[in-house]
Amino acid sequence: NAGVMQNPRHLVRRRGQEARLRCSPMKGHSHVYWYRQLPEEGLKFMVYLQKENIIDESGMPKERFSAEFPKEGPSILRIQQVVRGDSAAYFCASSLYTSPQETQYFGPGTRLLVL
Amino acid sequence: AQTVTQSQPEMSVQEAETVTLSCTYDTSESNYYLFWYKQPPSRQMILVIRQEAYKQQNATENRFSVNFQKAAKSFSLKISDSQLGDTAMYFCAFMSLGGDKIIFGKGTRLHILP
Repeated sequence: NAGVMQNPRHLVRRRGQEARLRCSPMKGHSHVYWYRQLPEEGLKFMVYLQKENIIDESGMPKERFSAEFPKEGPSILRIQQVVRGDSAAYFCASSLYTSPQETQYFGPGTRLLVL
Repeated sequence: AQTVTQSQPEMSVQEAETVTLSCTYDTSESNYYLFWYKQPPSRQMILVIRQEAYKQQNATENRFSVNFQKAAKSFSLKISDSQLGDTAMYFCAFMSLGGDKIIFGKGTRLHILP
């Protein structure tokens, strides 16, 4: 049973470009969470999605960031017009049912570097 | 708002020794979950141990155990017989009973020395 998959593992963008980060949850999991880890910091919650619905986006920056989890396919975190401050590791986690009763399993992360 | 504080940014111990990582948290809730996650150099986040606040008994997973002091809002991790593979960042984390987001501390970088 494959774990949570994220791609790309590393992404380099120039300021002003768009970044698309993909997350495929574990098989059977319909709950997806995105976290951001700035250098030398812990992970910070960004958004929680179920299939076709955003449940909690309280941690998402108000501008340039969006997330989706379509009926078919991976969850996408999209960052428009990236700036240097967006450089970070972005982790996706998935769970079978709603946490905290269910463990959130983390993917390996996508390291975004903005030049 | 809930917060998680790890007061030890970095620690080093000799292989086979026992080490304790500290964590305190702040919440007004009475039921919640606490976690320790390990992040090795590969940067993968690995769940080490989990504690439900309504359980008195401290959680244990092989060489890893916690000391959960609810009144003091303290949740320390003890690693016994430490191994080189334990070298990693360790994050203490909190989740509300009805919540969906995990709140992480800033981490403790642990070095196990040969």
